[in-house]
Amino acid sequence: NAGVTQTPKFQVLKTGQSMTLQCAQDMNHEYMSWYRQDPGMGLRLIHYSVGAGITDQGEVPNGYNVSRSTTEDFPLRLLSAAPSQTSVYFCASSSEGTANEKLFFGSGTQLSVL
Amino acid sequence: GESVGLHLPTLSVQEGDNSIINCAYSNSASDYFIWYKQESGKGPQFIIDIRSNMDKRQGQRVTVLLNKTVKHLSLQIAATQPGDSAVYFCAETDSWGKLQFGAGTQVVVTP
Repeated sequence: NAGVTQTPKFQVLKTGQSMTLQCAQDMNHEYMSWYRQDPGMGLRLIHYSVGAGITDQGEVPNGYNVSRSTTEDFPLRLLSAAPSQTSVYFCASSSEGTANEKLFFGSGTQLSVL
Repeated sequence: GESVGLHLPTLSVQEGDNSIINCAYSNSASDYFIWYKQESGKGPQFIIDIRSNMDKRQGQRVTVLLNKTVKHLSLQIAATQPGDSAVYFCAETDSWGKLQFGAGTQVVVTP
C-alpha cells in the first residue's frame, strides 16, 4: 500500500522557471491538499480539493495553481518560480470524507529556487 | 510549548522517562485537535486526535489531554524511546474548519 506518493523528492529551479510537483494517493480519499513547510514555521495550506473537479485556495495560494481531474492525482504547479518559494512541499489526503482531519502526508518535495 | 519563530523549542528527555509536549491554541471555537510526529527528512505522521467534547484520549504509549478552559493541549509519551526523537506538531481547526499547525517542538531522547 503506497499511500501518498510525491515526486520529485528534490528539485532546483532558476527564477522564472515553471514546474509541476506531482502527488498521487491510492487510498480513494476525496480530500487532498498541499502544504509548504519553512524553517521554524508550521505547515501552511496552499490549495486543497474536496473531490475531483473541485479545488479551493488555502492560506498561501499566490504563485501556485492546482487541478483535480481524478480522485487519485492532485498536482501543484509553480507558474514562475521565485526564491520565496524555496521550501519543502507536502501533499496530504484525508480518509474523513471531505474533511481535512487525520491527514496522511507524503514524504515531501524539497524545492530550491535560485 | 509551541511558538512561531526560527528556533523550535526543544525538549530533552532521558530514555525511559515520560515526555510531555505542550501546545497552546488560540481558537476557542476549535472542535478538533491533532498531534503529528515528523522525523528528519520525512512527512508528518499522525499520532492521535481528540475532539472538543473529550478531555482525554489514549493511544499506544501516548495520551492527549485537552483543557478547554485555558486553551491548552498536551501530548504525553510514556517510556520515551530513541525512536521518539522527532519534531511534534499540534494542530487545531480554525474558524473555517481548516487545520492550523503550530511551529513544532523538537524532542531529543538521550540515553
